[in-house]
Amino acid sequence: GAVVSQHPSWVICKSGTSVKIECRSLDFQATTMFWYRQFPKQSLMLMATSNEGSKATYEQGVEKDKFLINHASLTLSTLTVTSAHPEDSSFYICSARVRPPGETQYFGPGTRLLVL
Amino acid sequence: GQNIDQPTEMTATEGAIVQINCTYQTSGFNGLFWYQQHAGEAPTFLSYNVLDGLEEKGRFSSFLSRSKGYSYLLLKELQMKDSASYLCAAGTDSWGKLQFGAGTQVVVTP
Repeated sequence: GAVVSQHPSWVICKSGTSVKIECRSLDFQATTMFWYRQFPKQSLMLMATSNEGSKATYEQGVEKDKFLINHASLTLSTLTVTSAHPEDSSFYICSARVRPPGETQYFGPGTRLLVL
Repeated sequence: GQNIDQPTEMTATEGAIVQINCTYQTSGFNGLFWYQQHAGEAPTFLSYNVLDGLEEKGRFSSFLSRSKGYSYLLLKELQMKDSASYLCAAGTDSWGKLQFGAGTQVVVTP
């Protein structure tokens, strides 16, 4: 149980285009999902907290107009990187919180984005 | 401020035991998590401690002392596949937000 999927796993795009990443909880309902970014050899940096049916809460320094998050249902959250630039190239990982009964977050397999 | 500290790297031989320490200072706290992350992959959940004491799960054990802001992850009978980064993370609010440490790279040698 507690499986989280992400799609796509790899994206290569041209500078200026928008990229949408989907995060799904496959066998549980997730009222809260989180989006992280990880640069090589660095730890996970939380970008935003996504709650079903409400606006996402962004961490300081994360541009909400650039990283659009939509939590459309209890099993799906999407992250859209708008007008992507090479510096947005990173490993994007979502996680979903199993609630109830526990506090544990389960991570998706991640999406590697390369902006040329 | 928020601070999660753990060693950068540890090396141990196959079959040995390694203890990864983590100290934390966060404005809110509702539990301490340990995750394993292999290179190029997403983290996988290892353990969660919210009360003081030791939690044992097979070859992995995790300890928490809330009064000291301290946790450790103990890996026993090390195997080559245990070579990975181990992330300490503190739950900081009721929504489940996690503050991650930088990770400890464990290298297991034959």
